Amino acid sequence: KAGVTQTPRYLIKTRGQQVTLSCSPISGHRSVSWYQQTPGQGLQFLFEYFSETQRNKGNFPGRFSGRQFSNSRSEMNVSTLELGDSALYLCASSLGSTTGVDEQFFGPGTRLTVL
Amino acid sequence: KNQVEQSPQSLIILEGKNCTLQCNYTVSPFSNLRWYKQDTGRGPVSLTIMTFSENTKSNGRYTATLDADTKQSSLHITASQLSDSASYICVAPSGTYKYIFGTGTRLKVLA
Repeated sequence: KAGVTQTPRYLIKTRGQQVTLSCSPISGHRSVSWYQQTPGQGLQFLFEYFSETQRNKGNFPGRFSGRQFSNSRSEMNVSTLELGDSALYLCASSLGSTTGVDEQFFGPGTRLTVL
Repeated sequence: KNQVEQSPQSLIILEGKNCTLQCNYTVSPFSNLRWYKQDTGRGPVSLTIMTFSENTKSNGRYTATLDADTKQSSLHITASQLSDSASYICVAPSGTYKYIFGTGTRLKVLA
C-alpha cells in the first residue's frame, strides 16, 4: 500500500509570491490534515479536510487556505508569502473516524524556503 | 490551556545504552496519547498510540507508559542503535480533530 505522497519536496519562492502544495493520501483515507513545522514552534496544525469539507482549522491567517478533491487529494495554498512562512509543510492522512483512535500517517513533507 | 511539554529538549547517549524521554500533558478532554519518531527532513512515523485505559505499550525496543492520573507519559528506548537518532514527538488530540504537539526531544546516539 503506497504511503502519503507530497509534491514538490522542495520549493524556493520570493516574498509576495504564492505557492500551492499537493498531498495524495493513502488509498481509502478520507481525511487530510496539514501542518507547519518550524524549528522554533514545532508542529502546528493548519487545517483538516474530510470528504472535500474543511472540518477544522488552526490559528493561521487567511493567507493559508486549502481544498480537497473528490479523490481525497488535497492542496494547500499560501498567498503573499512572507519570510516567516519558510518551514516544512507536512500532510497526514487518516480514515477520519471521530470515534476511537484515528491514526494519522504523515507524508515526507515539502520544504518551503521564502527568500 | 491545552499543552504538551517534553523533556529533555535534547539527549546524547552511547550506542547500546537505554534512555527515557518524558512527556507531560494538560489536554482536556483526554482520549489518547501518541509518540512519533521523526528523522531529520522526514515526516513523523507513529511509534505508539495509548488510550487512557492503557498504561504500557511496546513497539520493539520502544516502550511507552502512560499515567492518566499525573498526566505523564514516557518513552523508553532499550539498547539504543545509531538509527534511533531522531526527534521524538509526543502528541495528544484536543477535542475531536485538533492535535497538540510537544516540541520534541532530539536524541543523538553515538557509536
